[in-house]
Amino acid sequence: EADIYQTPRYLVIGTGKKITLECSQTMGHDKMYWYQQDPGMELHLIHYSYGVNSTEKGDLSSESTVSRIRTEHFPLTLESARPSHTSQYLCATSTSDFYNEQFFGPGTRLTVL
Amino acid sequence: ILNVEQSPQSLHVQEGDSTNFTCSFPSSNFYALHWYRWETAKSPEALFVMTLNGDEKKKGRISATLNTKEGYSYLYIKGSQPEDSATYLCAFPNSGYALNFGKGTSLLVTP
Repeated sequence: EADIYQTPRYLVIGTGKKITLECSQTMGHDKMYWYQQDPGMELHLIHYSYGVNSTEKGDLSSESTVSRIRTEHFPLTLESARPSHTSQYLCATSTSDFYNEQFFGPGTRLTVL
Repeated sequence: ILNVEQSPQSLHVQEGDSTNFTCSFPSSNFYALHWYRWETAKSPEALFVMTLNGDEKKKGRISATLNTKEGYSYLYIKGSQPEDSATYLCAFPNSGYALNFGKGTSLLVTP
């Protein structure tokens, strides 16, 4: 039973389109994250949030933006998709304990033509 | 960004074989090391959070050890089964707010 939902799971879209990747959670966690993974590479943090109205950029520079208006919802938006945005995007949450164990959604695999 | 290295990159074993992989991480300012299993088309799933030097954790046929002084962790799978086929990721907390991941070890277990 999934507690972290991501939609769509797969998306193929043309260059220049605006897209929003949805992430929602029922775990009640304050901390949420977006990771990006290119084929054969590590997961890299692109955005995180400590709670409502809190968003920060991660270690990997990204042209995407995020918002956190509700605790359970953390959408990621690309205003104008480009082929370089083709990647897998994973949403995660974590507890607020010291060790920061993270819980992941199933990911969105994005292809921009 | 703190580098986490995993080896081997991929591994192919027969059902029943035992296997192990390595995760290397910076040994300074250590406070936790995470292991995840990521099956194709599924969410990464947490296996272990390891915190103490010399720690050993076990879940079924999978176990992990930790050496914080030299900066490495081993993951062992005893008697591999086809359902163990997955990518195994280790991760090291980065400034307390997220995880730095290695590239993973991709394990394929064939009958």
